[in-house]
Amino acid sequence: EVQLVESGGGLVQPGGSLRLSCAASGFTFTDYTMNWVRQAPGKGLEWVSYISSSSSTTYYADSVKGRFTISRDNAKNSLYLQMNSLRDEDTAVYYCAREGIPFDYWGQGTLVTVSS
Amino acid sequence: DIQMTQSPSTLSASVGDRVTITCRASQSISSWLAWYQQKPEKAPKLLIYSTSTLDTGVPSRFSGSGSGTEFTLTISSLQPDDFATYYCQQYNTYLFTFGPGTKVDLK
Repeated sequence: EVQLVESGGGLVQPGGSLRLSCAASGFTFTDYTMNWVRQAPGKGLEWVSYISSSSSTTYYADSVKGRFTISRDNAKNSLYLQMNSLRDEDTAVYYCAREGIPFDYWGQGTLVTVSS
Repeated sequence: DIQMTQSPSTLSASVGDRVTITCRASQSISSWLAWYQQKPEKAPKLLIYSTSTLDTGVPSRFSGSGSGTEFTLTISSLQPDDFATYYCQQYNTYLFTFGPGTKVDLK
């Protein structure tokens, strides 16, 4: 069974940093590109970042470019999102999603709250 | 960047109704369009990809059509489990834009 389990969310002050993790199981992690998608409270879905299976290619939404870094450790079947210079508008549930055709499996999400 | 719009933003319907949601892209995305269903406090669930292909286990009352810039999601006979928010998503480019969502609620 495919499972994606996010962790690392929490309360952080504006300007602070947080690192999210996504543990993958039930499939061959190295066969898939991965993504982060977020959803602000009561709002729609916003794609955040993409990483290729070998980590050679990454993409970011303009709203996070230069502040967030996506990475993965294929040996640990894990995906990460390093979030720096956090702003109030980054408050959201962050989901990791496997890029099947296109996002066929999602984690349950982890809540990031940016507030003083 | 490709922008996605959906209409209506909210749709009130009854069990058994035929429901249609429209999604438009700001430029052609060929058939690279997906639909997701999301229920409160849950992760989105993939329903349809490549405009019209149902994901595994999705009931046949769901169907998708369109190409280029205009797409539709149809639920042929709305069931109690279908009250949810529906999002379209383009994956023609690696800026995977989602539509703003259509909430289907009980009339």
